[in-house]
Amino acid sequence: DSGVTQTPKHLITATGQRVTLRCSPRSGDLSVYWYQQSLDQGLQFLIHYYNGEERAKGNILERFSAQQFPDLHSELNLSSLELGDSALYFCASSAELAGGRYNEQFFGPGTRLTVL
Amino acid sequence: AQKITQTQPGMFVQEKEAVTLDCTYDTSDQSYGLFWYKQPSSGEMIFLIYQGSYDEQNATEGRYSLNFQKARKSANLVISASQLGDSAMYFCAMSPMEYGNKLVFGAGTILRVKS
Repeated sequence: DSGVTQTPKHLITATGQRVTLRCSPRSGDLSVYWYQQSLDQGLQFLIHYYNGEERAKGNILERFSAQQFPDLHSELNLSSLELGDSALYFCASSAELAGGRYNEQFFGPGTRLTVL
Repeated sequence: AQKITQTQPGMFVQEKEAVTLDCTYDTSDQSYGLFWYKQPSSGEMIFLIYQGSYDEQNATEGRYSLNFQKARKSANLVISASQLGDSAMYFCAMSPMEYGNKLVFGAGTILRVKS
């Protein structure tokens, strides 16, 4: 158990809908990362938050948005869902922002999203 | 931009033997980290080993070692004494050190351990 929790574990929805994925980082970790794992794109970085502020964006669609709340949990919002959004969405957390020796990222169990 | 290449889509290894999973990388960063993660069929991502670009010695963690050849830009994972539980997908990843620790992943290698 990495200490990172994600809910829900599975989500099945229809095209055009909107969903929210939730992530709670390990206790004390300030950084939260979101990744998408799909068969055609592989594992891709979406977005990084540090202590409530957005720090880096990757290949995140405009239909997707995220935020990190004062209690450090994070939510990834996916709207106007398309079939191609079906994927495993991971949240990861780490202790520090950057610099020095890398701080290991601990991954949550993921949310498997199926868009029908 | 960083890029990770894993050229072996799938590998077989006999139980108790050693296996090497290949990883090459491309980056213009001077400081970076290299990682290996394991993803069993259950889906979770498990951190295995880390190598910093300025680390002179190859990293080792139990049965895992990272064969780091900086000039060749390779970071191969060596698993010694393979076990049936090692059957999984293995991802090589890298991250810049200077700012933001986002991970860039390779396509992965599926390892199957035979009894």
